[in-house]
Amino acid sequence: DAKTTQPNSMESNEEEPVHLPCNHSTISGTDYIHWYRQLPSQGPEYVIHGLTSNVNNRMASLAIAEDRKSSTLILHRATLRDAAVYYCILLSGYALNFGKGTSLLVTP
Amino acid sequence: NAGVTQTPKFRILKIGQSMTLQCTQDMNHNYMYWYRQDPGMGLKLIYYSVGAGITDKGEVPNGYNVSRSTTEDFPLRLELAAPSQTSVYFCASSTQGFEQYFGPGTRLTVT
Repeated sequence: DAKTTQPNSMESNEEEPVHLPCNHSTISGTDYIHWYRQLPSQGPEYVIHGLTSNVNNRMASLAIAEDRKSSTLILHRATLRDAAVYYCILLSGYALNFGKGTSLLVTP
Repeated sequence: NAGVTQTPKFRILKIGQSMTLQCTQDMNHNYMYWYRQDPGMGLKLIYYSVGAGITDKGEVPNGYNVSRSTTEDFPLRLELAAPSQTSVYFCASSTQGFEQYFGPGTRLTVT
């Protein structure tokens, strides 16, 4: 399975944008880039996914590099409720392969 | 919609006991999954199903069994519980792999 690399932790101030990076240098042409997040003591929650083009939804934006070897999840205005572990996952079949993710701390 | 529901929320088992973790979804999703999450780690796939009557092994299937007789239900059976199965178990469902919806989890301790 193709692997992803994320920083262990990041910190942001409330109401500021957050850019969460993910490297996936071994991505194949059919791998979709998915982002999930997990709030404390909860199950993971789908955030966004994309293949080649940048994507936007109500929760976040996903910026995908032209060579697809990296991507960035953008939270436009972080809130305290966005404090969670964010997972960048490559999906080419049915199952998600979770790594350790990035723990995002949001401070007031 | 209730989404994905799991029971029980918590359970303590003695070594060698058996139990079934229940998972039900009301979104008419064909795909269902069982994951486990050990402390400080990401989730690992135990079993998955692409439709009623069809199941397949994931990354860590040993010590577990599943069945899928209906679209809605996907129970996970633990036989002969071992301390290594102490974990949080999550069930999920989706239409086709994308946008998986997760349940709240079952916290299992085997002592």
